Amino acid sequence: GNSVTQMEGPVTLSEEAFLTINCTYTATGYPSLFWYVQYPGEGLQLLLKATKADDKGSNKGFEATYRKETTSFHLEKGSVQVSDSAVYFCALGSIQGAQKLVFGQGTRLTINP
Amino acid sequence: EAGVTQFPSHSVIEKGQTVTLRCDPISGHDNLYWYRRVMGKEIKFLLHFVKESKQDESGMPNNRFLAERTGGTYSTLKVQPAELEDSGVYFCASSEQGLKAFFGQGTRLTVV
Repeated sequence: GNSVTQMEGPVTLSEEAFLTINCTYTATGYPSLFWYVQYPGEGLQLLLKATKADDKGSNKGFEATYRKETTSFHLEKGSVQVSDSAVYFCALGSIQGAQKLVFGQGTRLTINP
Repeated sequence: EAGVTQFPSHSVIEKGQTVTLRCDPISGHDNLYWYRRVMGKEIKFLLHFVKESKQDESGMPNNRFLAERTGGTYSTLKVQPAELEDSGVYFCASSEQGLKAFFGQGTRLTVV
């Protein structure tokens, strides 16, 4: 079945550091890929998405490229801020299952000033 | 526009008791989903409603869990009787068409 594996946390970085959170997936067919973020005390928010191979999703300075050859969707940001501290979830959506999402285990990111 | 709202935000109950979680989706969203995250692990799909009908309930763990969506508006998820392993965060999401789901803040359930 479909599955998502993400980089285990927690991850702690200093402000302005470069961020990479790895995500790989196993899926049949051609899923859509997502990154969700949960800020402290808030619900899950869609951060970015990509719906086909080689697509790049981007938002708030974050980027992720759908790599079919490596079955990956790594999240990157060139210069993180304290406000980026949150839990990040990689997810895939099955075309057959509409928006039934399969999530990774989440990565807690803490940015220190 | 109001987002997806979940009640309560936290619930602490004793093993064997009953708890009912509620989700109010965004108005007009026919699709409603329940997910849960147990013990800091991955968020797992529980079930999917389209209006008042259960489209997919393949993720429901056992018959102690009962979800309803009367009238196709808000939904409830009842756990009866609750067990220790049911502790976790229960998320609700809603959507129209396409692939963007809007999530609520979640209900943190603790069974002691």
